Amino acid sequence: IAGITQAPTSQILAAGRRMTLRCTQDMRHNAMYWYRQDLGLGLRLIHYSNTAGTTGKGEVPDGYSVSRANTDDFPLTLASAVPSQTSVYFCASSDRLAGYNEQFFGPGTRLTVL
Amino acid sequence: GQNIDQPTEMTATEGAIVQINCTYQTSGFNGLFWYQQHAGEAPTFLSYNVLDGLEEKGRFSSFLSRSKGYSYLLLKELQMKDSASYLCAPIDSNYQLIWGAGTKLIIKP
Repeated sequence: IAGITQAPTSQILAAGRRMTLRCTQDMRHNAMYWYRQDLGLGLRLIHYSNTAGTTGKGEVPDGYSVSRANTDDFPLTLASAVPSQTSVYFCASSDRLAGYNEQFFGPGTRLTVL
Repeated sequence: GQNIDQPTEMTATEGAIVQINCTYQTSGFNGLFWYQQHAGEAPTFLSYNVLDGLEEKGRFSSFLSRSKGYSYLLLKELQMKDSASYLCAPIDSNYQLIWGAGTKLIIKP
């Protein structure tokens, strides 16, 4: 089934621990994105990648890192989790070459940092 | 700066019509998306406008006025399943989507 998968679905994590959220798409989209969504706030862009091998910082990049070794995978790493990183994390992808940049979202990862 | 303004919450009756407004200020403009997001789920695409005017798609229509920095989403013949959040997202000069906080729409029988 074509689309975006994320893992894990949910996770409870102790503060200070390292965590990698996984994201894989099979639509051969060139661009991928990581957002966090908190109650009362819009989706906030953490990091993005316009093409394999390149990444960029979004609105709220501190405490997060990403890599884009190939087209399909875009993992997000929290090096040392803090409670303020408790959120729902969405990965998305788009075919920016198509021009209008419709983004397709994964099901999300619900992360709780205690 | 970049700013998106939508009502936080709206309530409507099943079978009725509702209009959700969005005003925006962005660095450049390359179109505007509306997404629907049910509670606990991912956002899904509803509509896209790049030129002024109305785009109709079944029960849903979206309008854009670039000169006014204004868009609205019109939902007709409301159904209970339309209870969701509706996200307005204009596209800036870097082709990034700028997301509003969304409007939570509650449908009552």
